[in-house]
Amino acid sequence: DIQMTQSPSSLSASVGDRVTITCRASQDIRNELGWYQQKPGKAPKRLIYAASSLQSGVPSRFSGSGSGTEFTLTISSLQPEDFATYYCLQQNSYPLTFGGGTKVEIK
Amino acid sequence: EVQLVVSGGGLVQPGGSLRLCCAASGFSFSDHYMHWVRQAPGKGLEWVGLIRNKTKSYTIEDAASVKGRFTISRDDSTNSLYLQMNSLKTEDTAVYYCSRGMGDWGQGTLVTVSS
Repeated sequence: DIQMTQSPSSLSASVGDRVTITCRASQDIRNELGWYQQKPGKAPKRLIYAASSLQSGVPSRFSGSGSGTEFTLTISSLQPEDFATYYCLQQNSYPLTFGGGTKVEIK
Repeated sequence: EVQLVVSGGGLVQPGGSLRLCCAASGFSFSDHYMHWVRQAPGKGLEWVGLIRNKTKSYTIEDAASVKGRFTISRDDSTNSLYLQMNSLKTEDTAVYYCSRGMGDWGQGTLVTVSS
């Protein structure tokens, strides 16, 4: 199985900050990675697919980059509604595997 | 608008069975691969499995943690996805979500396995 190591597991940031979350895959997954945002009591929402493609309707302050084994989600200017937990997901091979999550909290 | 409505959750004793349903609308259900994902209370997301479409012969992939106990099926005539869960364990307690291709997600249903 492909292991997805996500870091940090949590972070505190202020509105307007630039935030970066990283996922590392245990083997080459090409660009077959997505990023998800989850708020308490809600279903996950996909932000990025194919490592760097922005899901329709998602604000442009979210961006993804990387390929192979190293991937990054960046929020260019954190907004109040962005405080949530973020997950990466590899879709290169089965079983699909998620990163452990990054909880973004208000500083 | 894509809608995925999950139902069938509840309280069940260890060793029991439950069937979840995901009712889909707003898209051509038969064309898409459909997934189940779960989330234990306070924990991260865990992929449970998927069923491919008719073109891919409705083949299934599933996680080792549910293999042999859970069965994924679909009925394209009613736009429904199912998760039959047998031999349930306390560690299967989670919110269960269905998803269209891991893009669109249903709201989830809570399954609690407890005596």
